[in-house]
Amino acid sequence: DAGVIQSPRHEVTEMGQEVTLRCKPISGHDYLFWYRQTMMRGLELLIYFNNNVPIDDSGMPEDRFSAKMPNASFSTLKIQPSEPRDSAVYFCASSLFGTDTQYFGPGTRLTVL
Amino acid sequence: AQSVTQLDSHVSVSEGTPVLLRCNYSSSYSPSLFWYVQHPNKGLQLLLKYTSAATLVKGINGFEAEFKKSETSFHLTKPSAHMSDAAEYFCVVSERAGTYKYIFGTGTRLKVLA
Repeated sequence: DAGVIQSPRHEVTEMGQEVTLRCKPISGHDYLFWYRQTMMRGLELLIYFNNNVPIDDSGMPEDRFSAKMPNASFSTLKIQPSEPRDSAVYFCASSLFGTDTQYFGPGTRLTVL
Repeated sequence: AQSVTQLDSHVSVSEGTPVLLRCNYSSSYSPSLFWYVQHPNKGLQLLLKYTSAATLVKGINGFEAEFKKSETSFHLTKPSAHMSDAAEYFCVVSERAGTYKYIFGTGTRLKVLA
């Protein structure tokens, strides 16, 4: 069974550039979560979707961050423009309605120079 | 409001000795509780989950956790540590009021000494 798939696994970019992170949830799952992990702040929930609709984006740090889920099998997290303080590992997770177990992808390590 | 407190940021044990990672929670509702493990440069893997069916929960790789409502604790244990257990462990609470949002503990880094 394929788990949650994220791409790229590593991204190095320069300040001011646009960054797009991608996530494919487990087939059939109807919740999708984006998290950010840093040493200083630990794991933070950025946004989550239910049936492709954003439910809670209160964790999105600022307008430079945006997330979309155009269909049930794909989501993107975009940062434009990127800043060095955005450097972190970004995780995507998915879960199935009626359960509250989240399954995590391997993460994307973002470095903004 | 929900919260999770992992009482130790670092734990060191010798290989073959027991492991105890401590977690206390606070929840207004009947919570779901989880332990996840994160190996270096990897994603989070579910170890085990409590949902009120049984207070002693068995997970993968020989780990188990006991839910104690009176102590609001959900400590993770393993009888005998293996070198491959070295990782970071997160205690998580999920509010069962329909939000499906996780509240993470700050993590406990387990070091296993040869």
